[in-house]
Amino acid sequence: QSVLTQPPSVSGAPGQRVTISCTGTSSNIGADYHVRWYVQLPGSAPKLLIYGDTNRPSGVPDRFSGSKSGASASLAITGLQAEDEADYYCQSFDSSLNGILFGGGTKLTVL
Amino acid sequence: QVLLVQSGGEVKKPGASVRVSCKSSGYRFTAYYMHWVRQAPGQGLEWMGWINPSSGGTNYAQKFHGRLTMTRDMSINTVHMELSSLRSDDTAIYYCARDYYDTIGNFNFFDYWGQGTQVTVSS
Repeated sequence: QSVLTQPPSVSGAPGQRVTISCTGTSSNIGADYHVRWYVQLPGSAPKLLIYGDTNRPSGVPDRFSGSKSGASASLAITGLQAEDEADYYCQSFDSSLNGILFGGGTKLTVL
Repeated sequence: QVLLVQSGGEVKKPGASVRVSCKSSGYRFTAYYMHWVRQAPGQGLEWMGWINPSSGGTNYAQKFHGRLTMTRDMSINTVHMELSSLRSDDTAIYYCARDYYDTIGNFNFFDYWGQGTQVTVSS
C-alpha cells in the first residue's frame, strides 16, 4: 500500500474541471519535499506533467496545474479533453524511507 | 536527442535472476542519476532505486535490499539492473528513468524514460 494516497478513479465530462488529490505524511509531502505528477497512457512509459509542486515542463498545456498545502498535493485539469483519459501518479521523496514514493495512481475517465 | 533504450523481454523461472539493461545516448552519461521503476500488471508505479553513473553509488528501496543490484558500464553508457531470487510477484514491466536536477530551482524529476522491459516469472 502506497504512503501517498490517491483516489483510484475520477471522471468528468469534456470541458469540465477535475482534481486529483495526493495525500502524504509528515515524512514526505508534509516535510515540504517537492511533488511531481506523471501521466501514463496505456502501453506507454509515464511522462512528466508537473515538477516542483507547481511547475509545468515545456510542452505541457496550461490546462494542467499543481498545488500543495500541508501534507497534500493536487493536480487540476481544466477544459477536460478526451485525450486526457489516462492514469495519473503523484511522486515525492520520503525521508523515513530515504527513497522515492509514488502514489497508487488515479484513472481519469472522460465521460 | 536523449534516448534510453532497454533490453528485451525476459521469461524466468522462480528463484532465478534477471538482468535488464538501459543504454543511454544523446547526453553526458555520468551527469545524471538513473532510477529503476517497475509496474506489475494492472498496478501502479513502484520505485526500486537509483544509481549514480559517475561513482557507481546506489540507493535501493528497502523492500529490495539483498535482491537488487544496479551497476553501470561507462564504456558503453549503460546501466544494468539485476534482480535475484525471482518470485511470481516480480512479474512486471521494468523502466529506467533519468533523474534531471535543476540546480537553480533545486528541483529534480524523471525527465526521460526507457521504453520498458517485460519480465515474466513463471514456472
